[in-house]
Amino acid sequence: AQKITQTQPGMFVQEKEAVTLDCTYDTSDQSYGLFWYKQPSSGEMIFLIYQGSYDEQNATEGRYSLNFQKARKSANLVISASQLGDSAMYFCAMREVQTGANNLFFGTGTRLTVIP
Amino acid sequence: DGGITQSPKYLFRKEGQNVTLSCEQNLNHDAMYWYRQDPGQGLRLIYYSQIVNDFQKGDIAEGYSVSREKKESFPLTVTSAQKNPTAFYLCASSRSTDTQYFGPGTRLTVL
Repeated sequence: AQKITQTQPGMFVQEKEAVTLDCTYDTSDQSYGLFWYKQPSSGEMIFLIYQGSYDEQNATEGRYSLNFQKARKSANLVISASQLGDSAMYFCAMREVQTGANNLFFGTGTRLTVIP
Repeated sequence: DGGITQSPKYLFRKEGQNVTLSCEQNLNHDAMYWYRQDPGQGLRLIYYSQIVNDFQKGDIAEGYSVSREKKESFPLTVTSAQKNPTAFYLCASSRSTDTQYFGPGTRLTVL
């Protein structure tokens, strides 16, 4: 079974508007971490935001926030005030702490296009 | 500047050849990782190393080999046993269980 599911292959958003990228995860562990990365056309993976399973507050980093709904096993990324430079692939990833390793499981990504 | 470097950026290989991808970091991170990315897919873990002189197989280790002789370096060899090596390869590093930071990647094409 897929550990991370991103159901939106592509999304469009108007410049300056907000957009939500969906991510659901599957784990039986109580302790885990959720990450979002941005991959521009150049290829590098840029870390955006992290949410721990025990964090009570939703994570925020500048224009990025993570809408964490533990009971629904969802960790959606919200980008506010979209900019043209936000056009990229976005990947959700999960780390299961119980394994003892820091391995990440990635979703298949969502391609975001910001329209001027 | 602290960061992760990968070389070369583009690599072409003839069938039957082994090639080695370089990954270096000066972030003083203990752990290093190699991922493979195919078009339209997420990243899949090939190998990881949590300390020098130790490494473990990831989900798709067959046809690949690694070494970790220095903390800063984690080269990946794509052997002739890897049947479909054309892909984008990304190296990452982290402090133990912290966030992983990625290098710019190497695009490998088999001719």
